[in-house]
Amino acid sequence: DGGITQSPKYLFRKEGQNVTLSCEQNLNHDAMYWYRQDPGQGLRLIYYSQIVNDFQKGDIAEGYSVSREKKESFPLTVTSAQKNPTAFYLCASSLRQRYGYTFGSGTRLTVV
Amino acid sequence: ILNVEQSPQSLHVQEGDSTNFTCSFPSSNFYALHWYRWETAKSPEALFVMTLNGDEKKKGRISATLNTKEGYSYLYIKGSQPEDSATYLCAFNNNNDMRFGAGTRLTVKP
Repeated sequence: DGGITQSPKYLFRKEGQNVTLSCEQNLNHDAMYWYRQDPGQGLRLIYYSQIVNDFQKGDIAEGYSVSREKKESFPLTVTSAQKNPTAFYLCASSLRQRYGYTFGSGTRLTVV
Repeated sequence: ILNVEQSPQSLHVQEGDSTNFTCSFPSSNFYALHWYRWETAKSPEALFVMTLNGDEKKKGRISATLNTKEGYSYLYIKGSQPEDSATYLCAFNNNNDMRFGAGTRLTVKP
């Protein structure tokens, strides 16, 4: 079955450490996205990529970095520069930009 | 930044009640409006995508309408069941990207 996989489901890190969240899809989708959700707020776009080796900042990219070396993979690194990293992170992919999304099941990151 | 507003934020209904909620979005540069259903501990699941003013979509007991001129969409659930309990997200597609609302959290009590 095709789908999008995020790992791990829960992640705990100490303050000041970088952490990388994995997102893999086998849907042959060109576009991939990272969103962050905080309580009571909508999904906010962190980064997106429309094609391999290319990505753009979303609305809240500060403190995050991404790479898109393979079509299937779009890992997100939460760096120590991110002031409030504790959140729920959701990865998505779409055939192309502006098409409907397929979502992963999310990673809940807690920084202590 | 484009604002997509959903109301109400949360809703509690009894099993068998019909209910509806609203998504409002900017009416300029419209491309598509998406509805997703997000159950706890699962991935959001696509319900509908609507592109034309006046579109109406239906899936079982759930239906949606679209008014692109005034910038709103309604989602209706007829005869709510406990398994309908979820967060319902709408997302607005313009020429550049997709913006999500904060969702309406529906709880259906048996």
